[in-house]
Amino acid sequence: QLLLQESGPGLVKPSETLSLTCNVSDGSISRSIYYWGWIRQSPGKGLEWLGTVNSIGTSYYTPSLKSRVSISVDPSQSQFSLRLTSVTAADTAVYYCARLTGDAAFDSWGQGTLVTVSS
Amino acid sequence: DIEMTQSPSSLSVSIGDRVTITCRASQSISKYLNWYQQKPGRAPNLLVYGTFTLQSGVPSRFSGSGSGTDFTLTISSLQPEDLATYYCQQTFTTPYTFGQGTKLEIK
Repeated sequence: QLLLQESGPGLVKPSETLSLTCNVSDGSISRSIYYWGWIRQSPGKGLEWLGTVNSIGTSYYTPSLKSRVSISVDPSQSQFSLRLTSVTAADTAVYYCARLTGDAAFDSWGQGTLVTVSS
Repeated sequence: DIEMTQSPSSLSVSIGDRVTITCRASQSISKYLNWYQQKPGRAPNLLVYGTFTLQSGVPSRFSGSGSGTDFTLTISSLQPEDLATYYCQQTFTTPYTFGQGTKLEIK
């Protein structure tokens, strides 16, 4: 069974860069049929898709963050990463990594990691 | 962006009830509608994808229907473990967007 595990700092200062990594337990990260994505959830609020990318570098990002967000995949390490630059308090959220299948659904999710933006 | 609107936002239910949650898209999304269940402190869990198809391991009391802009998630007989928040999501086009959620609470 696929397991996804997020890792990274839980506290980031305003204006700095948020960086998170998601470890993928099986070899499916190398299969181009799958996309790998990040979704966040602000405290007490709903879900926001940030972006998805596959192993050959095809990527899609939400326009509201497009200039600040990037996702990269490293099949050799079986992991993918999120970078969000110039963060503010509004970026405080639980960040989830997830796998997007060929049926266009997120079928596996990490447990989520809370990132707080504060000085 | 395609806006997804769920109704109701919350619902008081009893065990054994038939529960229906509605999701409306601001434009046609064909069949690209997914449903997720989220319990407090947990990640969302995929229930239904492509409007109708039950994810492996999901109980058959869950079902999805609809097309175009109007979609429904039905729980035929609510069980205690179904108390959670439910989200719809469209994957017809990016940015993929979610509904605001429907929270099921005990009456």
